[in-house]
Amino acid sequence: NAGVTQTPKFRVLKTGQSMTLLCAQDMNHEYMYWYRQDPGMGLRLIHYSVGEGTTAKGEVPDGYNVSRLKKQNFLLGLESAAPSQTSVYFCAVATEWRGRPGEQFFGPGTRLTVL
Amino acid sequence: AQSVTQLGSHVSVSEGTPVLLRCNYSSSVPPYLFWYVQYPNQGLQLLLKYTSAATLVKGINGFEAEFKKSETSFHLTKPSAHMSDAAEYFCVVSDDRAAGNKLTFGGGTRVLVKP
Repeated sequence: NAGVTQTPKFRVLKTGQSMTLLCAQDMNHEYMYWYRQDPGMGLRLIHYSVGEGTTAKGEVPDGYNVSRLKKQNFLLGLESAAPSQTSVYFCAVATEWRGRPGEQFFGPGTRLTVL
Repeated sequence: AQSVTQLGSHVSVSEGTPVLLRCNYSSSVPPYLFWYVQYPNQGLQLLLKYTSAATLVKGINGFEAEFKKSETSFHLTKPSAHMSDAAEYFCVVSDDRAAGNKLTFGGGTRVLVKP
């Protein structure tokens, strides 16, 4: 039982390159989230999903796209990476409690550097 | 939309003295509230949660938090700090379905424990 896994753990990109981050869960939860964490700015929500086939924008969605084709996977794409996207990216999965997201389980993070 | 304010981005305490981390929220519906801890270079883990049951919530590692509706607060406390409590702490509020089922993070409070 791995919980929440993220692939890759580290990546270095050049400006303009593209990449996809994969978040996978084995807990069968509906809610999945992508955050970025930057020094002094806490966690900021990029995109999220409340179920298979659904996605929604969070606080900082520009420059990112997501897909949730399968319930257990949530993909985060960068079409044309920029240095401002250098960050640590966390995926999280949430239980549901009376129609709302409940406890979140976080992946280990992906450290992305864009040169 | 919900919002969460953590007063004080940094808190310094001496080992053995009490810890108090402040969290205030805004919510148009009864909130679900969480505290998460992040140790250096790690992901986030749940400390405790409030989901409309008892107003005083006990969590792991000796932490507890009290929900005060009249003050819209959910402050985190620990009677006696330990060196291992040095970490960053996040207060989180859960939106209901009408607000998009998001989880909104406070900016975080970094705790330094002095010997």
